[in-house]
Amino acid sequence: GNSVTQMEGPVTLSEEAFLTINCTYTATGYPSLFWYVQYPGEGLQLLLKATKADDKGSNKGFEATYRKETTSFHLEKGSVQVSDSAVYFCALSPSGGSYIPTFGRGTSLIVHP
Amino acid sequence: DAGVTQSPTHLIKTRGQQVTLRCSPISGHKSVSWYQQVLGQGPQFIFQYYEKEERGRGNFPDRFSARQFPNYSSELNVNALLLGDSALYLCASSLDRPNSGNTIYFGEGSWLTVV
Repeated sequence: GNSVTQMEGPVTLSEEAFLTINCTYTATGYPSLFWYVQYPGEGLQLLLKATKADDKGSNKGFEATYRKETTSFHLEKGSVQVSDSAVYFCALSPSGGSYIPTFGRGTSLIVHP
Repeated sequence: DAGVTQSPTHLIKTRGQQVTLRCSPISGHKSVSWYQQVLGQGPQFIFQYYEKEERGRGNFPDRFSARQFPNYSSELNVNALLLGDSALYLCASSLDRPNSGNTIYFGEGSWLTVV
């Protein structure tokens, strides 16, 4: 079956540090890939997505590139802010069937001033 | 425009009881899906509906059921509640029929505690 594996958290950084959260996936065909963010007490918000190999999704300074050869979709940001503290979820939606998304376990990011 | 709205936001139930959670999708969205998010985990898919028909079902027992109404709102019902059903229940909507690249929009969820 499909699966998404994210790096264990929490990730703790100082403000303006570089962020990488690793995500790898297992799926047949060419799934679409997503990053969602969940702030405390809230639902998930789409951060960015990529629907085909080599696509780069970007939003609010965050980027992730769909790497088919390494089945990865790592999230990066050049300079994090305290307001980026949240839980980040990597997810995939398969390219066939009923398109049911599969989510990773989430990675908590804590940014200190 | 209003986002996905869910009710109630918090509720406490006793083991063995039944619960109904409600969801209103974004205006114009025809697809609704439900997820269970246990503390510290990612969302687990429960059901997906499009145009009032069930289009997908996750690995949940028959105690879980759902339906979508003509106005595209939806209800999730859970019978014979167990302690393990305590979780955040998320509803999400999308504009079109289920598709790999669809963007889905989540509500803020309903926190269910079973005691």
